[in-house]
Amino acid sequence: QIVLTQSPAIMSASLGERVTMTCTASSSVSSSYLHWYQQKPGSSPKLWIYSTSNLASGVPARFSGSGSGTSYSLTISSMEAEDAATYYCHQYHRSPPITFGAGTKLELK
Amino acid sequence: EVKLVESGGGLVQPGGSLRLSCATSGFTFTDYYMSWVRQPPGKALEWLGFIRNKANGYTTEYSASVKGRFTISRDNSQSILYLQMNTLRAEDSATYYCAREGVLRFFDYWGQGTTLTVSS
Repeated sequence: QIVLTQSPAIMSASLGERVTMTCTASSSVSSSYLHWYQQKPGSSPKLWIYSTSNLASGVPARFSGSGSGTSYSLTISSMEAEDAATYYCHQYHRSPPITFGAGTKLELK
Repeated sequence: EVKLVESGGGLVQPGGSLRLSCATSGFTFTDYYMSWVRQPPGKALEWLGFIRNKANGYTTEYSASVKGRFTISRDNSQSILYLQMNTLRAEDSATYYCAREGVLRFFDYWGQGTTLTVSS
């Protein structure tokens, strides 16, 4: 199965700071099937970025995603308080199992 | 409006069984793959399995961690997704989510989750 490794596990950022987190796959993943979710404590995950770089409905434009092959990233151009959350990457490659990364917890400094 | 509402969680003894339900509305249920995902307290998301849509014969796939113990089914007449869990273990304790899969296999809608605790 494809293992997704997210780094860092925990990070903090100040308001207005640029934030980048990464998701590295153990084998190549189609960029069409690499997605990101945001989850806040006590809430369900929300689809945040789909197919590497497409923002889900309602996601602020300060978010962006990029990558290909085994290396993907999520970037926030300017940190806002509401962005504090855990972000998970997720892949589906041709057949099960579907896998998630362990998450990056983003805190406000 | 798309809605997914899980129910059926609770406290179960090790070795016991439980069935979770996910009532859906706001979309054509038979058109979509549906998945179950769980999250132990303070830990990451884990995909458990999915059931395909009508066009793909409603067949199922499971993760290795639950294959043979968990069964996913669907009542298409009532738009309800089920997760039958048998031979439960302490490590199955988690919040269980149902999720709808989009065409590119992302999970575009999630339920609010239902919590299972396996303990004596």
